[in-house]
Amino acid sequence: AQSVTQLDSQVPVFEEAPVELRCNYSSSVSVYLFWYVQYPNQGLQLLLKYLSGSTLVKGINGFEAEFNKSQTSFHLRKPSVHISDTAEYFCAVGATGGGNKLTFGTGTQLKVEL
Amino acid sequence: DTGVSQNPRHKITKRGQNVTFRCDPISEHNRLYWYRQTLGQGPEFLTYFQNEAQLEKSRLLSDRFSAERPKGSFSTLEIQRTEQGDSAMYLCASSPTRTASYGYTFGSGTRLTVV
Repeated sequence: AQSVTQLDSQVPVFEEAPVELRCNYSSSVSVYLFWYVQYPNQGLQLLLKYLSGSTLVKGINGFEAEFNKSQTSFHLRKPSVHISDTAEYFCAVGATGGGNKLTFGTGTQLKVEL
Repeated sequence: DTGVSQNPRHKITKRGQNVTFRCDPISEHNRLYWYRQTLGQGPEFLTYFQNEAQLEKSRLLSDRFSAERPKGSFSTLEIQRTEQGDSAMYLCASSPTRTASYGYTFGSGTRLTVV
């Protein structure tokens, strides 16, 4: 079984500042990793995913994430945030080898302030 | 293609009533998933379908819950004898592949409030 830990429930940051949202996972098999964003009263939208290959993954809206196998982490970063980035961010893990469901973390609320 | 569609967007019901939600996935996607999200939590897996076959159900899915996907197209999730603890956002997602590598496309969800 897989599990995901998002270490920060809330992250406040000023506009144009950099941000990092932390995610650690646990799994006994190789995994795929995802970051999703959820705006109020909406479903989840895929930001980026790591399947294999380069450990630095670039996604939409200027976000990127780095897979670190030794630290079992997949932290999300953005060099300069905008007010419109205010949302809930979820890290998720799926198992390789025929795995078919994603396990989500509890989410990190990113609040961008002026 | 308009993505994954869920109806209704909101449902308020009295405790003890039955409710049914509908999900229309992306047409070429053969995998369909149901998740439940309570306030302040991430989505929790409920069940999924490969075409019309329901392949896995979470222990969260009590016998008051039933899901169907007739003909492998749209899916319905029914909750019988609703309880206040059923209040949540119910999310549907679809995927075109057998593995988790694609990720999901989510609908906007159905928010259920049991009063």
